[in-house]
Amino acid sequence: AQKITQTQPGMFVQEKEAVTLDCTYDTSDQSYGLFWYKQPSSGEMIFLIYQGSYDEQNATEGRYSLNFQKARKSANLVISASQLGDSAMYFCAMTLNQAGTALIFGKGTTLSVSS
Amino acid sequence: GAVVSQHPSRVICKSGTSVKIECRSLDFQATTMFWYRQFPKQSLMLMATSNEGSKATYEQGVEKDKFLINHASLTLSTLTVTSAHPEDSSFYICSARDNLGGGAGNEQFFGPGTRLTVL
Repeated sequence: AQKITQTQPGMFVQEKEAVTLDCTYDTSDQSYGLFWYKQPSSGEMIFLIYQGSYDEQNATEGRYSLNFQKARKSANLVISASQLGDSAMYFCAMTLNQAGTALIFGKGTTLSVSS
Repeated sequence: GAVVSQHPSRVICKSGTSVKIECRSLDFQATTMFWYRQFPKQSLMLMATSNEGSKATYEQGVEKDKFLINHASLTLSTLTVTSAHPEDSSFYICSARDNLGGGAGNEQFFGPGTRLTVL
């Protein structure tokens, strides 16, 4: 079974600073995908970034980058130059590269950005 | 990107009534859709995997007779909460994978969610 662990219930950062949200995962499968989603108070799930288990380069999407340490089974999200609009809940998730498999989510981290 | 819609976005009902939530993939076909439940300030918990043309697969602890899932077409899955009670009040979110996407990629798309309140 797959498991995602997010150990930071809440994180606080000032505008323009960088912040790292931690995520570790556990699976015995070799082929999988790792995701980060942002969920504002409206409840919608906003896809941020994806990393495949065979990708050698760390994924980047604008201000978001994923620090993928495969041997340590970690997939931390780095947000550079935080903005007030980044305040939200952030979920790390994974799925196996098999048809019909669901995303399994971590408990989430609430990020608060202050001015 | 692909769009998944959910209807209704918000519903309030009396205890004992049944509520149907629709999840539609608007511009792609989805053999598989997923239903999640989320309590306030908690994570998304997978309830069931909805397969077009066959029975849904429910996660351990989810009552299949209470949460009826029908996936009648490649673009529509419905979740019916039968005989709803206050403890069923929650945020229900569906997601769908794009059949053509293959692998994991970023081809799983979420609906906007349905907030159910049972009085």
